[in-house]
Amino acid sequence: QVTLRESGPALVKPTQTLTLTCTFSGFSLSTSGMCVSWVRQPPGKALEWLALIDWDDDKYYSTSLKTRLTISKDTSKNQVVLTMTNMDPVDTATYYCARIHTSSSCLHDAFDIWGQGTMVTVSS
Amino acid sequence: EIVLTQSPGTLSLSPGERATLSCRASQSVSSSYLAWYQQKPGQAPRLLIYGASSRATGIPDRFSGSGSGTDFTLTISRLEPEDFAVYYCQQYGSSPRLTFGGGTKVEIK
Repeated sequence: QVTLRESGPALVKPTQTLTLTCTFSGFSLSTSGMCVSWVRQPPGKALEWLALIDWDDDKYYSTSLKTRLTISKDTSKNQVVLTMTNMDPVDTATYYCARIHTSSSCLHDAFDIWGQGTMVTVSS
Repeated sequence: EIVLTQSPGTLSLSPGERATLSCRASQSVSSSYLAWYQQKPGQAPRLLIYGASSRATGIPDRFSGSGSGTDFTLTISRLEPEDFAVYYCQQYGSSPRLTFGGGTKVEIK
């Protein structure tokens, strides 16, 4: 059974750096075709894609947030970490990690399994 | 960047009725790389449809997807009580950018 679980602080102050961890089970990110992505959702609003990392350690970022995001993986721990710098109240959202299992490219397949999300509030 | 516009914003229907949701792209979506997700309050999105028309594992056949190019449709043939939720389309053909639509809420009339 594939599961993903997000963890991180519930509250961060403006200008701080947010670090989120996605811990997963049921697959390995060293296996060809496996990818993990981050998506966020402000309260009452739509989903927004943030970043993606694949089995070969290729990384892709949202153009609008690229300068603030870093995604990395620790295959031995089955974890993917997302850092977002210079947090602002508009970054208040539920942050999800999700898996892509592809036969071609991670950028050409849908998110098949999602974590439950973690709510992050940015406030002083 | 491909912008996805979903309509209507809200669809008010009764159980047993047919629901038709639209997703229009600002540019052609390559190879029908379009997915649909269902999201219920307090829950994560769930994949329903990928490749514009393929149902994900375990998705009932009352859900169907169609379309190509810039116009895509999600149809729920007969609404069940558990189908009242928000639905999002997503394109993954315009790499390296993945984008979502603004969502359509299907509510009980």
